[in-house]
Amino acid sequence: DTGVSQDPRHKITKRGQNVTFRCDPISEHNRLYWYRQTLGQGPEFLTYFQNEAQLEKSRLLSDRFSAERPKGSFSTLEIQRTEQGDSAMYLCASSLGISGVYGYTFGSGTRLTVV
Amino acid sequence: QKEVEQDPGPLSVPEGAIVSLNCTYSNSAFQYFMWYRQYSRKGPELLMYTYSSGNKEDGRFTAQVDKSSKYISLFIRDSQPSDSATYLCAMSINQAGTALIFGKGTTLSVSS
Repeated sequence: DTGVSQDPRHKITKRGQNVTFRCDPISEHNRLYWYRQTLGQGPEFLTYFQNEAQLEKSRLLSDRFSAERPKGSFSTLEIQRTEQGDSAMYLCASSLGISGVYGYTFGSGTRLTVV
Repeated sequence: QKEVEQDPGPLSVPEGAIVSLNCTYSNSAFQYFMWYRQYSRKGPELLMYTYSSGNKEDGRFTAQVDKSSKYISLFIRDSQPSDSATYLCAMSINQAGTALIFGKGTTLSVSS
């Protein structure tokens, strides 16, 4: 297993378009997280799955954002009607439940630019 | 006031220097403290973690937590050019770590 994989690495889209990102976690990890990181800031929590259940969502996750994790494997994050303020790095992380807070592994992220 | 404050730097030091990186926080419920290293165009990677107050050492790295002052530190001894990166502190109120709170990161440059 080569770690957490995110696709695409870069996405440029026009304002108003929809975009979807994919995250493939480490195979045995049951927890999956999405974070957003803007330039000069630390990552900010968006949402978290345990297996296929979405257990927590941040206030940052507006109605235009939706995340899924069908069958508890890969996850997708969709942004509808993108806005320039959505430009950021979207990071996915996974962990095994017993590792908890010490067991996060982050992917390299998807950098979104909305023009 | 943000929950976690971290001076963004940049911090420039010569090779071999001792580096001190710090974060302060306001939420006394934080129990778990981590330091992540992030290279350009990469995701953060976990460097050190500590629970509650105290020190932890791992090679050239030492993490300190002072809960009474709500202050955490990361020391890097004998710094190397390969240590040049952004260092992020992160905290959690629970061991599950379901929503980490990060500082904005300190950019470190070590020159040879």
